[in-house]
Amino acid sequence: GNSVTQMEGPVTLSEEAFLTINCTYTATGYPSLFWYVQYPGEGLQLLLKATKADDKGSNKGFEATYRKETTSFHLEKGSVQVSDSAVYFCALILTGGGNKLTFGTGTQLKVEL
Amino acid sequence: DGGITQSPKYLFRKEGQNVTLSCEQNLNHDAMYWYRQDPGQGLRLIYYSQIVNDFQKGDIAEGYSVSREKKESFPLTVTSAQKNPTAFYLCASSPGLGNTEAFFGQGTRLTVV
Repeated sequence: GNSVTQMEGPVTLSEEAFLTINCTYTATGYPSLFWYVQYPGEGLQLLLKATKADDKGSNKGFEATYRKETTSFHLEKGSVQVSDSAVYFCALILTGGGNKLTFGTGTQLKVEL
Repeated sequence: DGGITQSPKYLFRKEGQNVTLSCEQNLNHDAMYWYRQDPGQGLRLIYYSQIVNDFQKGDIAEGYSVSREKKESFPLTVTSAQKNPTAFYLCASSPGLGNTEAFFGQGTRLTVV
């Protein structure tokens, strides 16, 4: 079956530090990949996406590249801010799988001054 | 503004009672989903519906029921058979075709007292 594995949290960084949150996936086919962000007490918001190999999704300074050879979609940001503190979820969707999103367990990011 | 509305935001239920969570969308999406979120476990799929009057069980459907009588609405009933119902419940929708992302509501936090 399909699955997504994310690095364990929490990740604690100082403001302006470089961020990497690792995500790898297993899928029987060619999925689309997503990063969602969840702020405390809220639903999930789409942060970025990539639909095919070598695509780079980007938004609000965050980037992730769809790496088919390593089945990875790591999230990066060059300089984090306190306002980036949230939980980040990696997810995939596969046509023919009922269009169901499969999520990783989420990684909490805490950014301190 | 188009979006997904979940209500109520907070819900308290006595043990042994059924309770229904509302989810409405005005995005004209065919597919709708219910997820349950527990700390440290990511999101787990309860039920999903790809078209009106049709729905399928997800990974943790026991103790839950749904209906899809209208395209805009996908209510979730948490029955007394659900042994551990206290959780954060998230509703989502997607166009339903292809590898497209889902859009989420703000969630309902259910507490059994």
